[in-house]
Parts: sequence; structure tokens; C-alpha cells
Amino acid sequence: QVQLQESGPGLVKPSETLSLTCSVSGYSISSGYYWGWIRQPPGKGLEWIGSIYHSGSTYYNPSLKSRVTISVDTSKNQFSLKLSSVTAADTAVYYCARDFGVVVAANFDFWGQGTLVTVSS
Amino acid sequence: QSALTQPASVSGSPGQSITISCTGTSSDVGSYNLVSWYQQHPGKAPKLMIYEGSQRPSGVSNRFSGSKSGNTASLTISGLQAEDEADYYCSSHAGGSTYVIFGGGTKLTV
Repeated sequence: QVQLQESGPGLVKPSETLSLTCSVSGYSISSGYYWGWIRQPPGKGLEWIGSIYHSGSTYYNPSLKSRVTISVDTSKNQFSLKLSSVTAADTAVYYCARDFGVVVAANFDFWGQGTLVTVSS
Repeated sequence: QSALTQPASVSGSPGQSITISCTGTSSDVGSYNLVSWYQQHPGKAPKLMIYEGSQRPSGVSNRFSGSKSGNTASLTISGLQAEDEADYYCSSHAGGSTYVIFGGGTKLTV
């Protein structure tokens, strides 16, 4: 069974960089698929942040592209998210997920439990 | 690109059927057969219920079905059960540099 687990600080100061890691078990990232990050502000809907293909190609939400970096470490079977210059609007539950679509199409079949990141001084 | 449009809420009684719509444009829903539907219970991660418009992942009840007409996709839940009460989100591949967009979500009350 594929399992994903997000990890990282739950509190980030404004203007700093949010960094999260998603550890994958039960499936080798290098075997295929896209791997994505999605967030959900408290009480609001889902927003796709970006995805990375197992080969390392990246795809970002245009509205966040200037601040987002997604990378993969196949040796650790992990992929990571960095979001720079955060503000209170970036406060959200951040999910990592596997996307089995043939294109970047949000076919997210396995999800992490989510981690709440609060941006506050 | 704007979010896909979903009704804020729908309701139904146990045993009934309901349909949730998801309206996009000719650049996303209308151009691709790549609409997905997710179910989310409070405090839980979303669960994929339908992908590629009408495909059900293994383990998802056949009470859930998806369809599309023009720029609008729909999720139908038949034989409503109390456990179906949740938020439902649609998403669609959008092509170009947008890639994927989500709907605003629909709260289903049973």
C-alpha cells in the first residue's frame, strides 16, 4: 500500500520560506508517475501548487510559480516543496499526493494526511 | 484561470440520487476528458472517487458515477447513504501552463 507523509515546520514567519518534505513508502518514486503538492486554507477549497515527474520535470501553478520550487530525492524516496516570501495568505493544510495521470491532470490517488502550516510572526 | 464552478451545497435523503455539477470552459472541461472528483470528510485528506470523467478507482462504490456534456461535468451519487455526507471537489486538466484547476467545492448533506 502506497503511503505518503508530510513533514516540516508548522509555523513559519512572514517573508520567510516554507519548506516541506513528503516521504513515500510502498512505491518507488523513480518507478514513475507525477508527485504533487496541494493546499487548502482553513475552511476553503483545494488549490494545486505544483507537481514533479519522477524524472524531475516540474509543473507549477502559474499564480505561485515565482515562489515555488519542487524537487525530488529518489535516493530517499522523497519529494519536497519550498514556497518563498510567505504571507498569512499561505496559511493552509498542505497535502502531498501521487498523481497517476498520463498528463498532469490531478488524478491524485494516494494522499498524505496533510500538515497545517501557519504563517505568523 | 478561474476555478471551476460548483454549487455551494446540495442535499438529499437516504436512498435518493443527487447530481453535482462542475462547469468550466472550452479550455479545460470542454477540451479534455480529464475531470476528476474528490470526496473529503472533515479533517481528512481528499479521496479520489472518479477520474478521466467516468472511471472509478478500485474500491469506490458503483453508486458514484461521472459524466460530461460540453463544458460541464457531473458527479451522480445514487442510493445516498449517511456516509456520503462530505465535501466534493472537481478538478480538470487545463492544458497550456495552467495544467490543472479545482472547483470551489460542494457540501453534500444527507
